[in-house]
Amino acid sequence: DTAVSQTPKYLVTQMGNDKSIKCEQNLGHDTMYWYKQDSKKFLKIMFSYNNKELIINETVPNRFSPKSPDKAHLNLHINSLELGDSAVYFCASSRGRQETQYFGPGTRLLVL
Amino acid sequence: KQEVTQIPAALSVPEGENLVLNCSFTDSAIYNLQWFRQDPGKGLTSLLLIQSSQREQTSGRLNASLDKSSGRSTLYIAASQPGDSATYLCALKRGSGGGADGLTFGKGTHLIIQP
Repeated sequence: DTAVSQTPKYLVTQMGNDKSIKCEQNLGHDTMYWYKQDSKKFLKIMFSYNNKELIINETVPNRFSPKSPDKAHLNLHINSLELGDSAVYFCASSRGRQETQYFGPGTRLLVL
Repeated sequence: KQEVTQIPAALSVPEGENLVLNCSFTDSAIYNLQWFRQDPGKGLTSLLLIQSSQREQTSGRLNASLDKSSGRSTLYIAASQPGDSATYLCALKRGSGGGADGLTFGKGTHLIIQP
């Protein structure tokens, strides 16, 4: 009965590869988000989706692309991975844009 | 640009003490403020959400206050327990339009409660 789930939990890959991280929420929320937590534990918003429409994109390289097949899923695709992409990526969701955000457990990405 | 500062960066207190964590922000045009806790290697757990029109929210031993005019919020933890040990994060949602939906986070306060 996990509210917000992410797969995989850990991802180790080589530079230049393309990878995806999946996110699913079973809360019936209509807004989903991706955040990046860097090595200094600082969290920054990357994307948000509301009713399958991209709302914000905070100066994220275009190698990153969110894709939402339906309201319950927001997947993150990353092309041509770089060393600096190593971080923990968190998915979150909320009912409406202004309500409490609920976070997934995170995906720890390590680029070698 | 909104900046969120949390002081102190780290805090260690004996079990049973009451304590206050501080959060300050530079832009008072916020929609709401949310406090989270993050345990090592885990995701974020929402503790309290205060709307911009509210002054405080309470949940069990936790009380969060908001003073928009001074750009400050505090998280008060009563009768601290070792299980309260975690990193506490303050996050703001901007109040202006234009689809500013993401949260702006502080860097957190790392709290250790000594048994």
